Amino acid sequence: GAVVSQHPSWVICKSGTSVKIECRSLDFQATTMFWYRQFPKQSLMLMATSNEGSKATYEQGVEKDKFLINHASLTLSTLTVTSAHPEDSSFYICSAQQGREQYFGPGTRLTVT
Amino acid sequence: QKEVEQDPGPLSVPEGAIVSLNCTYSNSAFQYFMWYRQYSRKGPELLMYTYSSGNKEDGRFTAQVDKSSKYISLFIRDSQPSDSATYLCAMSAIDKIIFGKGTRLHILP
Repeated sequence: GAVVSQHPSWVICKSGTSVKIECRSLDFQATTMFWYRQFPKQSLMLMATSNEGSKATYEQGVEKDKFLINHASLTLSTLTVTSAHPEDSSFYICSAQQGREQYFGPGTRLTVT
Repeated sequence: QKEVEQDPGPLSVPEGAIVSLNCTYSNSAFQYFMWYRQYSRKGPELLMYTYSSGNKEDGRFTAQVDKSSKYISLFIRDSQPSDSATYLCAMSAIDKIIFGKGTRLHILP
């Protein structure tokens, strides 16, 4: 149980384009999902908390207009990186909360050329 | 003082050794304690969770919590090369969860 999927697992896009990443809880409903960013050999950096049916809460320093989060259902949250730039290249990981535990997706590697 | 402190390592130990990974914390409101394992280029995987002081065992893994000292540990017995990964501690209060920076562990065959 408690499986979280992400799609795509890897994406390459050109600078200036937008990319959407999906996060799904497959066998449970999650009112709260989280989006993290991780650079190589660095720890997880929380970007935002996504609550179903309401606006996401962004961490300090994270541009809400650049990283659009939509949590339209209890099993799906999406992160859209708008007008992507090479510095946005990173590993994006979502997690879904069930009770007090967080279960993570496998991550999405974004490369912006 | 950071809310959660974790030595980033790397920690290298020979196969078969007992591994000890630790985190300290400063917020006494933390009630729930977790350990995650993350392989390179993968999402973290929940290994163990506990909410009380004492030990919790699962196979080769033992999680230990000492609330009086604000100190948690993860012990790995009979370590295997497949245990090589980054281990993150995490703790939660009512409204938030905080992760440690992770310790990189290398098990040498």
